Amino acid sequence: QKEVEQNSGPLSVPEGAIASLNCTYSDRGSQSFFWYRQYSGKSPELIMSIYSNGDKEDGRFTAQLNKASQYVSLLIRDSQPSDSATYLCAVSEGGGADGLTFGKGTHLIIQP
Amino acid sequence: ETGVTQSPTHLIKTRGQQVTLRCSSQSGHNTVSWYQQALGQGPQFIFQYYREEENGRGNFPPRFSGLQFPNYSSELNVNALELDDSALYLCASSYDRGTQYFGPGTRLTVL
Repeated sequence: QKEVEQNSGPLSVPEGAIASLNCTYSDRGSQSFFWYRQYSGKSPELIMSIYSNGDKEDGRFTAQLNKASQYVSLLIRDSQPSDSATYLCAVSEGGGADGLTFGKGTHLIIQP
Repeated sequence: ETGVTQSPTHLIKTRGQQVTLRCSSQSGHNTVSWYQQALGQGPQFIFQYYREEENGRGNFPPRFSGLQFPNYSSELNVNALELDDSALYLCASSYDRGTQYFGPGTRLTVL
Protein backbone atom coordinates (compact mmCIF):
# COMPACT_ATOMS: atom_id res chain seq x y z
CA GLN A 1 0.00 0.00 0.00
CA LYS A 2 1.33 3.40 -0.97
CA GLU A 3 1.99 5.63 2.00
CA VAL A 4 3.01 9.25 2.44
CA GLU A 5 4.22 10.26 5.89
CA GLN A 6 4.28 13.75 7.34
CA ASN A 7 4.77 15.04 10.86
CA SER A 8 1.32 16.32 11.83
CA GLY A 9 2.74 19.09 14.02
CA PRO A 10 1.85 21.68 14.95
CA LEU A 11 5.11 23.21 13.75
CA SER A 12 5.56 26.65 15.26
CA VAL A 13 7.95 29.08 13.52
CA PRO A 14 8.65 32.76 14.33
CA GLU A 15 7.67 35.34 11.71
CA GLY A 16 10.52 35.99 9.31
CA ALA A 17 12.21 32.61 9.93
CA ILE A 18 12.49 29.63 7.59
CA ALA A 19 9.81 26.94 7.93
CA SER A 20 10.92 23.44 6.92
CA LEU A 21 8.31 20.81 6.11
CA ASN A 22 9.21 17.21 5.40
CA CYS A 23 7.57 14.23 3.73
CA THR A 24 8.59 10.62 3.00
CA TYR A 25 6.88 8.24 0.61
CA SER A 26 6.87 4.47 0.26
CA ASP A 27 6.35 3.87 -3.49
CA ARG A 28 9.65 3.96 -5.39
CA GLY A 29 7.65 4.21 -8.63
CA SER A 30 6.44 7.69 -7.70
CA GLN A 31 7.30 10.24 -10.38
CA SER A 32 5.41 13.41 -9.48
CA PHE A 33 5.46 15.30 -6.20
CA PHE A 34 3.31 18.16 -5.02
CA TRP A 35 2.86 20.48 -2.08
CA TYR A 36 -0.61 21.84 -1.40
CA ARG A 37 -1.60 24.42 1.20
CA GLN A 38 -4.96 24.08 2.93
CA TYR A 39 -6.45 26.76 5.13
CA SER A 40 -8.98 25.62 7.74
CA GLY A 41 -12.35 24.92 6.10
CA LYS A 42 -10.98 25.46 2.58
CA SER A 43 -9.81 23.20 -0.23
CA PRO A 44 -6.15 22.41 -1.07
CA GLU A 45 -4.27 25.01 -3.12
CA LEU A 46 -1.26 24.01 -5.21
CA ILE A 47 1.99 25.58 -3.99
CA MET A 48 4.73 23.65 -5.79
CA SER A 49 5.30 20.68 -8.05
CA ILE A 50 8.62 18.87 -8.50
CA TYR A 51 9.54 15.95 -10.75
CA SER A 52 13.33 15.56 -10.68
CA ASN A 53 15.96 15.34 -7.97
CA GLY A 54 17.26 18.60 -6.56
CA ASP A 55 15.78 21.95 -5.67
CA LYS A 56 13.05 23.99 -7.30
CA GLU A 57 12.48 27.57 -6.21
CA ASP A 58 9.38 29.73 -6.65
CA GLY A 59 9.41 33.01 -4.77
CA ARG A 60 9.69 32.32 -1.04
CA PHE A 61 9.10 28.59 -1.58
CA THR A 62 11.71 25.92 -2.34
CA ALA A 63 10.84 22.28 -2.92
CA GLN A 64 13.55 19.65 -2.56
CA LEU A 65 13.37 16.08 -3.89
CA ASN A 66 15.63 13.11 -3.17
CA LYS A 67 14.25 10.01 -4.89
CA ALA A 68 17.00 7.74 -3.52
CA SER A 69 15.94 8.61 0.02
CA GLN A 70 12.24 8.85 -0.97
CA TYR A 71 12.11 12.28 0.63
CA VAL A 72 10.47 15.56 -0.33
CA SER A 73 10.67 18.81 1.55
CA LEU A 74 9.29 22.34 1.34
CA LEU A 75 11.12 25.37 2.67
CA ILE A 76 9.28 28.64 3.24
CA ARG A 77 11.59 31.63 3.62
CA ASP A 78 10.64 34.84 5.42
CA SER A 79 7.59 33.14 6.93
CA GLN A 80 4.49 35.32 7.26
CA PRO A 81 1.43 34.86 9.50
CA SER A 82 -0.58 34.24 6.30
CA ASP A 83 1.53 31.10 5.76
CA SER A 84 -0.18 29.53 8.79
CA ALA A 85 -2.07 26.56 7.33
CA THR A 86 -1.89 22.80 6.86
CA TYR A 87 0.62 21.73 4.21
CA LEU A 88 -0.20 18.54 2.34
CA CYS A 89 2.43 16.47 0.54
CA ALA A 90 1.09 14.45 -2.41
CA VAL A 91 2.74 11.96 -4.76
CA SER A 92 1.70 10.06 -7.87
CA GLU A 93 3.17 7.58 -10.31
CA GLY A 94 2.45 9.95 -13.15
CA GLY A 95 -0.25 9.43 -15.76
CA GLY A 96 -2.79 10.14 -13.06
CA ALA A 97 -4.59 6.79 -13.14
CA ASP A 98 -3.67 6.13 -9.55
CA GLY A 99 -4.62 9.57 -8.38
CA LEU A 100 -2.67 11.52 -5.82
CA THR A 101 -1.66 9.87 -2.55
CA PHE A 102 -1.66 12.44 0.24
CA GLY A 103 -0.05 12.60 3.63
CA LYS A 104 -2.15 13.72 6.59
CA GLY A 105 -0.57 17.16 6.44
CA THR A 106 1.61 19.29 8.71
CA HIS A 107 -0.09 22.09 10.62
CA LEU A 108 2.18 25.15 10.44
CA ILE A 109 1.80 28.11 12.79
CA ILE A 110 3.75 31.32 12.13
CA GLN A 111 4.09 33.30 15.34
CA PRO A 112 4.01 37.12 14.89
CA GLU B 1 -9.35 30.80 -7.77
CA THR B 2 -8.82 27.69 -9.89
CA GLY B 3 -11.93 27.96 -12.04
CA VAL B 4 -13.17 24.61 -10.70
CA THR B 5 -16.65 24.81 -9.23
CA GLN B 6 -18.60 22.33 -7.12
CA SER B 7 -22.21 22.11 -6.00
CA PRO B 8 -23.77 22.07 -3.57
CA THR B 9 -21.53 23.69 -0.94
CA HIS B 10 -23.09 21.83 1.95
CA LEU B 11 -25.45 18.88 2.12
CA ILE B 12 -27.16 16.98 4.92
CA LYS B 13 -28.50 13.48 4.29
CA THR B 14 -29.66 10.58 6.41
CA ARG B 15 -28.19 7.10 6.50
CA GLY B 16 -29.33 4.92 3.59
CA GLN B 17 -30.09 7.82 1.25
CA GLN B 18 -28.37 8.54 -2.05
CA VAL B 19 -26.49 11.72 -2.99
CA THR B 20 -25.16 13.31 -6.18
CA LEU B 21 -22.34 15.85 -6.12
CA ARG B 22 -21.38 17.94 -9.13
CA CYS B 23 -18.15 19.42 -10.45
CA SER B 24 -17.36 21.73 -13.35
CA SER B 25 -13.77 21.53 -14.50
CA GLN B 26 -11.52 24.45 -15.36
CA SER B 27 -11.78 25.64 -18.95
CA GLY B 28 -9.50 23.54 -21.18
CA HIS B 29 -9.23 20.65 -18.71
CA ASN B 30 -10.40 17.17 -19.71
CA THR B 31 -9.72 15.19 -16.52
CA VAL B 32 -11.63 15.17 -13.25
CA SER B 33 -10.55 13.39 -10.07
CA TRP B 34 -12.63 12.97 -6.93
CA TYR B 35 -11.31 12.79 -3.37
CA GLN B 36 -12.81 12.25 0.08
CA GLN B 37 -11.28 14.16 2.98
CA ALA B 38 -12.28 13.18 6.49
CA LEU B 39 -11.61 15.60 9.33
CA GLY B 40 -7.92 15.75 10.23
CA GLN B 41 -6.90 13.51 7.32
CA GLY B 42 -5.41 14.03 3.90
CA PRO B 43 -7.66 13.63 0.85
CA GLN B 44 -8.18 10.03 -0.34
CA PHE B 45 -8.49 9.24 -4.05
CA ILE B 46 -11.90 7.91 -5.08
CA PHE B 47 -11.62 7.78 -8.88
CA GLN B 48 -10.62 9.72 -11.96
CA TYR B 49 -12.41 10.38 -15.23
CA TYR B 50 -10.47 11.15 -18.40
CA ARG B 51 -12.31 11.96 -21.62
CA GLU B 52 -15.55 10.51 -20.23
CA GLU B 53 -14.01 7.17 -19.17
CA GLU B 54 -13.09 6.00 -15.66
CA ASN B 55 -9.29 6.07 -15.71
CA GLY B 56 -8.42 4.83 -12.23
CA ARG B 57 -10.04 4.04 -8.92
CA GLY B 58 -8.98 4.09 -5.29
CA ASN B 59 -10.05 1.77 -2.50
CA PHE B 60 -13.71 2.73 -2.39
CA PRO B 61 -16.72 0.37 -2.65
CA PRO B 62 -18.94 0.20 -5.77
CA ARG B 63 -21.62 2.33 -4.11
CA PHE B 64 -19.33 5.23 -5.02
CA SER B 65 -19.85 5.80 -8.73
CA GLY B 66 -19.27 8.60 -11.17
CA LEU B 67 -19.83 10.05 -14.56
CA GLN B 68 -18.13 12.54 -16.85
CA PHE B 69 -20.05 14.46 -19.49
CA PRO B 70 -18.93 15.61 -22.97
CA ASN B 71 -18.20 19.09 -21.57
CA TYR B 72 -15.91 17.34 -19.01
CA SER B 73 -18.04 18.23 -16.01
CA SER B 74 -18.52 15.34 -13.62
CA GLU B 75 -20.81 13.81 -11.02
CA LEU B 76 -20.05 11.70 -7.97
CA ASN B 77 -22.89 9.46 -6.79
CA VAL B 78 -22.94 7.72 -3.44
CA ASN B 79 -25.65 5.14 -2.70
CA ALA B 80 -26.72 3.71 0.65
CA LEU B 81 -25.05 6.48 2.64
CA GLU B 82 -23.26 5.50 5.85
CA LEU B 83 -22.30 7.71 8.78
CA ASP B 84 -18.60 7.36 7.84
CA ASP B 85 -19.34 8.96 4.46
CA SER B 86 -19.52 12.31 6.26
CA ALA B 87 -16.57 14.25 4.83
CA LEU B 88 -15.42 17.01 2.51
CA TYR B 89 -15.68 15.81 -1.09
CA LEU B 90 -13.15 17.43 -3.39
CA CYS B 91 -13.08 17.56 -7.14
CA ALA B 92 -9.83 18.32 -8.96
CA SER B 93 -9.48 19.10 -12.63
CA SER B 94 -6.43 18.75 -14.85
CA TYR B 95 -5.35 18.61 -18.47
CA ASP B 96 -4.44 15.15 -19.79
CA ARG B 97 -4.19 13.70 -16.25
CA GLY B 98 -1.56 16.27 -15.26
CA THR B 99 -1.28 18.67 -12.33
CA GLN B 100 -4.53 18.78 -10.38
CA TYR B 101 -6.33 21.91 -9.24
CA PHE B 102 -9.02 21.61 -6.61
CA GLY B 103 -12.49 23.06 -6.39
CA PRO B 104 -13.92 24.45 -3.15
CA GLY B 105 -15.42 21.11 -2.09
CA THR B 106 -18.80 19.88 -0.90
CA ARG B 107 -19.26 19.25 2.82
CA LEU B 108 -21.50 16.17 3.25
CA THR B 109 -23.01 15.35 6.63
CA VAL B 110 -24.76 11.99 7.08
CA LEU B 111 -27.07 11.72 10.09
